[in-house]
Amino acid sequence: KNEVEQSPQNLTAQEGEFITINCSYSVGISALHWLQQHPGGGIVSLFMLSSGKKKHGRLIATINIQEKHSSLHITASHPRDSAVYICAVGGATNKLIFGTGTLLAVQP
Amino acid sequence: EPEVTQTPSHQVTQMGQEVILRCVPISNHLYFYWYRQILGQKVEFLVSFYNNEISEKSEIFDDQFSVERPDGSNFTLKIRSTKLEDSAMYFCASTRTGGMTEAFFGQGTRLTVV
Repeated sequence: KNEVEQSPQNLTAQEGEFITINCSYSVGISALHWLQQHPGGGIVSLFMLSSGKKKHGRLIATINIQEKHSSLHITASHPRDSAVYICAVGGATNKLIFGTGTLLAVQP
Repeated sequence: EPEVTQTPSHQVTQMGQEVILRCVPISNHLYFYWYRQILGQKVEFLVSFYNNEISEKSEIFDDQFSVERPDGSNFTLKIRSTKLEDSAMYFCASTRTGGMTEAFFGQGTRLTVV
């Protein structure tokens, strides 16, 4: 069983739609990271959170430590949001354990 | 904005050859990492490095792999004798501190072993 599970694996949305990507984890964590990976491969950090909720522009990330679950929301989605969104967790050591990613395609 | 820089962006090598992947972490960061992503798979941890020594390594990081910080700015990953299954995207990352801190990733080096 994967330590970090994401759903859905693939998501197609129409421009303007509200999008939710989910992440569940089975290990103890110190922080959860949401990352974005564009075609060509580079990884960009979107959020790091250990409790509650964070917002940056049209992106919102929430985490429920008791339920070991996090969600990434995109409001008013746009084709430029098309990318792979990855959930990764950091625990007692400094390494990150990655989920398999969610491939998001936003169509105009 | 500070960034992690990796070179080369793409390297093709023959099986059995040695390769060195290079990274320049963010200058005031103290923790350095290598991750790899085989095509179509998730990103996997290889090794973490702090205070000029390996702090943790995965099962993937066997005797064929080594890391070095030769000059205080570069952080390198060496694969001594490449195998076909080493073909992957290799990401360098750095963090300012350990524990709960934002990780900054390089753009990756795509290694193709033929």
